[in-house]
Amino acid sequence: ETGVTQTPRHLVMGMTNKKSLKCEQHLGHNAMYWYKQSAKKPLELMFVYNFKEQTENNSVPSRFSPECPNSSHLFLHLHTLQPEDSALYLCASSQEGPRTGLQDTQYFGPGTRLTVL
Amino acid sequence: ILNVEQSPQSLHVQEGDSTNFTCSFPSSNFYALHWYRWETAKSPEALFVMTLNGDEKKKGRISATLNTKEGYSYLYIKGSQPEDSATYLCASLPNAGNNRKLIWGLGTSLAVNP
Repeated sequence: ETGVTQTPRHLVMGMTNKKSLKCEQHLGHNAMYWYKQSAKKPLELMFVYNFKEQTENNSVPSRFSPECPNSSHLFLHLHTLQPEDSALYLCASSQEGPRTGLQDTQYFGPGTRLTVL
Repeated sequence: ILNVEQSPQSLHVQEGDSTNFTCSFPSSNFYALHWYRWETAKSPEALFVMTLNGDEKKKGRISATLNTKEGYSYLYIKGSQPEDSATYLCASLPNAGNNRKLIWGLGTSLAVNP
């Protein structure tokens, strides 16, 4: 497989469920990202991992818990979500290094469409 | 401008028409401007990364220009085809040390009618 893959593509869960989203990148990149995309809102950055270390957490509620076991895999663990958490969750990766602009290009997965009932 | 703004929000054109969209971004502390193309049910795909004032990039029938002094970029599509139908996103990357946080616009949704 090439690029960035995400599973599952669709997920329906109740507010009391626990589920996980998975992302895998096959590009040899060293940074990975979780974004939330809600209707009529710009992409919201949730978490950034750089060399497996979390470098950014944009005031995301604790019911979202990221995990990055290695530079190729990223998880988003979900528990006791709210209906307003229903959205498209996108994973992305990039190769970080000396700032050239080009190396900030992010490569996205197709997303997981999450519905919380 | 503190946010990234894109206009128009949506656009319907006929096959063969040429079209353009605008992205406005904060001109202070600017580092780079990214354009992405996002087809329904697919992954957003990087089109261009632009850094220099006056920059112009081209990829097939799509081109983009950049004005960092006034904080805007134009994306042009020449001779639109149905396969160009997608949402076109721009994102500004500020010059803030190692901060990799892109500031995203809402996108312009383009529909090309055959």
